[in-house]
Amino acid sequence: KQEVTQIPAALSVPEGENLVLNCSFTDSAIYNLQWFRQDPGKGLTSLLLIQSSQREQTSGRLNASLDKSSGRSTLYIAASQPGDSATYLCAVYGWASGTYKYIFGTGTRLKVLA
Amino acid sequence: DGGITQSPKYLFRKEGQNVTLSCEQNLNHDAMYWYRQDPGQGLRLIYYSQIVNDFQKGDIAEGYSVSREKKESFPLTVTSAQKNPTAFYLCASSMGGANYGYTFGSGTRLTVV
Repeated sequence: KQEVTQIPAALSVPEGENLVLNCSFTDSAIYNLQWFRQDPGKGLTSLLLIQSSQREQTSGRLNASLDKSSGRSTLYIAASQPGDSATYLCAVYGWASGTYKYIFGTGTRLKVLA
Repeated sequence: DGGITQSPKYLFRKEGQNVTLSCEQNLNHDAMYWYRQDPGQGLRLIYYSQIVNDFQKGDIAEGYSVSREKKESFPLTVTSAQKNPTAFYLCASSMGGANYGYTFGSGTRLTVV
């Protein structure tokens, strides 16, 4: 059974720091991995989608890497800003419970201090 | 701009009542999904539809029902059989298949009063 873990559950950093958020998954048979941002009381905003054949994807200050064999992905945020404060969720797409679907982690709640 | 619209943003349900959450998309996506989010838990799949007039149960379908009469719309009804409906409900859509990610709506917070 696929399980997705995000550690730490919460993180506080001073503004300007470069930081890494971690996502691990137990079954390497995935098709893609997606990173999302969720602000309090809001829906999920897609940040980056990495296909299983890719090693990384970049968008602005964000860089996500994927190592399928070790069951890990990292989201790197450069020069963090208070506006980056949110919960970050990762989700892996694969076969589970009779269908293809995303399995979500519980997220890392990030607070960037001004 | 294309996107997914969920309404209402907040919904209050009395005991024994059925309520319907709306989800509309103008992205021309084939597949649509309903998730439930509870504090400290990952999103859990309630129902999904990969094509009009067809839908499948997800992991926690008991106490919920859906319809997919139009490509753009995938409403979710929370019935009185759902004993613990207080949660944040999220609708998503995708082109379908493994090459595409999901686009989410802004969510509906349902509270039992």
